[in-house]
Amino acid sequence: EVQVVESGGGFVQPGGSLRLSCAASGFTFSRYTMVWVRQAPGKGLEWVSYISSGSTTASYTDSLKGRFTISRDNTQNSLYLQMNSLRDEDTAVYYCARASWDLSSKFYLDFWGLGTLVTVSS
Amino acid sequence: DIQMTQSPSSLSASVGDGVAITCRASQSVSTYVNWYQQKPGKAPTLLIYGASNLHTGVPSRFRGSGSGTDFTLSISSLQPDDFATYYCQQSDSVPQTFGQGTRLEIK
Repeated sequence: EVQVVESGGGFVQPGGSLRLSCAASGFTFSRYTMVWVRQAPGKGLEWVSYISSGSTTASYTDSLKGRFTISRDNTQNSLYLQMNSLRDEDTAVYYCARASWDLSSKFYLDFWGLGTLVTVSS
Repeated sequence: DIQMTQSPSSLSASVGDGVAITCRASQSVSTYVNWYQQKPGKAPTLLIYGASNLHTGVPSRFRGSGSGTDFTLSISSLQPDDFATYYCQQSDSVPQTFGQGTRLEIK
C-alpha cells in the first residue's frame, strides 16, 4: 500500500526555522518526483516545491525562493522541506505528495499524506 | 505564473443532480489539467488527470473535459459522498498552480 507520512510540523516564532519530513513506503521512492503543497487555514491549495527523482531538478513557487529548500534521501525513502525565515503567512498544513507522470498530463499528484501543521506566530 | 480561475466558487445542489465546475487557465496548458476532491479535514484526492482521464477507483459519474484554456469537471447523479471542495491544477509549467476551489454543498 502506497503511503506518505509527514512529520516535523509545530509552533515556531516568526524568523524561525523548521524541517519537515515525509516518509514514503509501498512504492519505489527513487523513481518518483515528489511535491510539497500547503494549505493555509480556511484557504485553498498552494503548490510549494518539487524535486525530481534523482534530485537533479528542484523548483519553488516564487514567493518562497531563498527561504525554503527541498531535498530527498532515496536511501531512506524520505523527502524533506527546510523552512527558514518563517513568516506568519507560512502558517499552513503542509502536504507531501507523490507525482506520477503521464503523456497526457505531465505530472499529477496521485498519493497525498495527511499533512503536518506549521504555525508561525509570536 | 499561470493563473487558474474556477467558477463558481460555491455551488448548491441536491442528491441526484448533475453539476459542472469550470476552470480557465490564463494561457494555454494543452491538456495538462488535473482535478482533485477535498473533504473537510482531509487531504485532497486525485479525480482526473490529463483533463479527461479518470484516476483508478474514481466513479464514472465524474467526467473531465477541455483543452487549451477551458476545462470542465462534470459530476452526474450526485451522491452524498460528492459534497466536498474541488480544485483544478495545471501541470504544464512550474509553479503548478491550483484554482481557488469550488465548494459543492447540499441544497
